[in-house]
Amino acid sequence: DTAVSQTPKYLVTQMGNDKSIKCEQNLGHDTMYWYKQDSKKFLKIMFSYNNKELIINETVPNRFSPKSPDKAHLNLHINSLELGDSAVYFCASSQEGELFFGEGSRLTVL
Amino acid sequence: KQEVTQIPAALSVPEGENLVLNCSFTDSAIYNLQWFRQDPGKGLTSLLLIQSSQREQTSGRLNASLDKSSGRSTLYIAASQPGDSATYLCAVRIPGRRALTFGSGTRLQVQP
Repeated sequence: DTAVSQTPKYLVTQMGNDKSIKCEQNLGHDTMYWYKQDSKKFLKIMFSYNNKELIINETVPNRFSPKSPDKAHLNLHINSLELGDSAVYFCASSQEGELFFGEGSRLTVL
Repeated sequence: KQEVTQIPAALSVPEGENLVLNCSFTDSAIYNLQWFRQDPGKGLTSLLLIQSSQREQTSGRLNASLDKSSGRSTLYIAASQPGDSATYLCAVRIPGRRALTFGSGTRLQVQP
C-alpha cells in the first residue's frame, strides 16, 4: 500500500507546454509539500499546504500553481514550461514533524 | 538562514566496515533532524528522526546522534553491506516552519 503516490513518474514535454503532476497520500496527514530536486540532487522546498491552506510559498515563479482539493491531495500545475524546469519533483506529507516522500516525478523539458 | 552541510560528498568502503556520515547545520535552534536514504531514481526513505530534546536514535544497524549546541549530527552505520549503497541525506526543521532544509547528501558505495 503506497503511502504517498505521485503521477506521472516520468514526463517529457516541449518548452511552452503546460503540465500537471498529481499527488495523493493515504496516511491521514494534515500537511503536504512539493520539493524540487535539481541536477545536483539538491532538494528545495517549493510549497506546503496544511489542511488545504497554503502555508509555504518559496519564491517560486507564478508559472507554478499548487492546488489542494482536500487534505489528501496536492497537485502541481506548471504553465509555459522552460528548460530550467527540468528536475525531479517530489511530493511529501507529514504529521508530528516526520516527512514521508513519494517516488518522485521526473520532468524533462525539451 | 539555516544551511545544512554534509561531509563527505562521497564515500566508498569495503563491506563489513563501520562508518560515520556527518551533517552540520548553522542555526542550532532546530525542531528536529531527520536522516533519509535515497536510492538512484527513487524517492526518499525516512531512516531516523531525532527530536531537538533527544541525543540519539537507533534503528537496527543505524545510530544517529544529535549535538544541537555544536550544530552537528552523525549517522553511524555498523557492519556495512552492499545493500547500504545509496545517497544519505540529512535535513533539519526549525521551529515555526514545517518544511525541512536539506543537505546535499553523502553518496555511499559499499564494495562487496
